[in-house]
Amino acid sequence: GNSVTQMEGPVTLSEEAFLTINCTYTATGYPSLFWYVQYPGEGLQLLLKATKADDKGSNKGFEATYRKETTSFHLEKGSVQVSDSAVYFCALRGRDDYKLSFGAGTTVTVRA
Amino acid sequence: GAGVSQSPRYKVAKRGQDVALRCDPISGHVSLFWYQQALGQGPEFLTYFQNEAQLDKSGLPSDRFFAERPEGSVSTLKIQRTQQEDSAVYLCASSLGLAGNEQFFGPGTRLTVL
Repeated sequence: GNSVTQMEGPVTLSEEAFLTINCTYTATGYPSLFWYVQYPGEGLQLLLKATKADDKGSNKGFEATYRKETTSFHLEKGSVQVSDSAVYFCALRGRDDYKLSFGAGTTVTVRA
Repeated sequence: GAGVSQSPRYKVAKRGQDVALRCDPISGHVSLFWYQQALGQGPEFLTYFQNEAQLDKSGLPSDRFFAERPEGSVSTLKIQRTQQEDSAVYLCASSLGLAGNEQFFGPGTRLTVL
């Protein structure tokens, strides 16, 4: 079945630091890949997505590239802000499927 | 318009009680999903509706869990004879069209079973 493994947290960074959260997946075929973010007290929000190999998703300064050869979709941001403090979830949806499969989440705290 | 809303936001139940959790999807959204998120884990799929039809309930953990969406809009997730292992955040999501569209999530209902 489909599964997602992401870097365990928590991760604590200083403002303007570089952030990477590793995500690898197991799936048959060509899934779509997602990063969701959950800010304190809020629901899950889609941060970015990629639907085929070598696609790069980007939003709010975050980027992730769909790497089929390494089955990875690592999230990066070059300069984090305090407002980026949140829980980040990597997820996939199988081709022709509807359900999302999530990683366990990574808590990121950015200090001023 | 408004996003997905869920009620109650918090529910405390004694073991053995029945609970009902409500989800109001975004108006006009055809697809509706329920997920269960245990503490420190990612959400796990429970069930999927397309309009009023429950097309997939493969993720429901036991026959104590029941979901309905009788008019193709509001959905209710019911848990009978709650157990401590049912303690989790229950997330509802909706999407505009059929399977492949973006899912918009509600804030969740945190259920604590004592």
